[in-house]
Amino acid sequence: QQQVKQSPQSLIVQKGGISIINCAYENTAFDYFPWYQQFPGKGPALLIAIRPDVSEKKEGRFTISFNKSAKQFSLHIMDSQPGDSATYFCAATTTSGTYKYIFGTGTRLKVLA
Amino acid sequence: GAGVSQSPRYKVAKRGQDVALRCDPISGHVSLFWYQQALGQGPEFLTYFQNEAQLDKSGLPSDRFFAERPEGSVSTLKIQRTQQEDSAVYLCASSLGLPQPQHFGDGTRLSIL
Repeated sequence: QQQVKQSPQSLIVQKGGISIINCAYENTAFDYFPWYQQFPGKGPALLIAIRPDVSEKKEGRFTISFNKSAKQFSLHIMDSQPGDSATYFCAATTTSGTYKYIFGTGTRLKVLA
Repeated sequence: GAGVSQSPRYKVAKRGQDVALRCDPISGHVSLFWYQQALGQGPEFLTYFQNEAQLDKSGLPSDRFFAERPEGSVSTLKIQRTQQEDSAVYLCASSLGLPQPQHFGDGTRLSIL
């Protein structure tokens, strides 16, 4: 019940295309869902986050869509660029507890020039 | 400093040796987390501090793992009698408090020979 399932494992997109990464969870107590971007040899960097009281949040080219009833959320990267090539992790946590993040297994994105 | 600082960046140790990994959180951040990231996987929670108090150590894999944050700032993760399965990247994250987002350092890559 503590797992966050992430798909796909890897993704190849043409420059200018839309990258879509999906995550699903079971624990209904989760109430904060961040997305992180990680480059090789670097730590995860926060991209965008959402709470379950909204269905969508947009920041620049990055959009999170959230479906509370289906317990699913996704990251959309619009106008994907080669510089977006990285590994993306979704995560979930309960803000009333320790606030430890439960991470997905990651999606390796490659954007072709 | 501007971000979370971890040292050393790389550590090689022989099986059975003790190691100590250091984390300098962002100034003023009261919450500090340690995660373990195996190759090709998402980070997994190890332990959490609020100031100097260790409030959750449920993720520590064995009693060989020990973490401390005696003055509520710098934290050290110690691994005694290292085993090959301890080889991973150890990430530290800090936040202003709950439920503020976590900011990660670049990690320490630990290799046990």
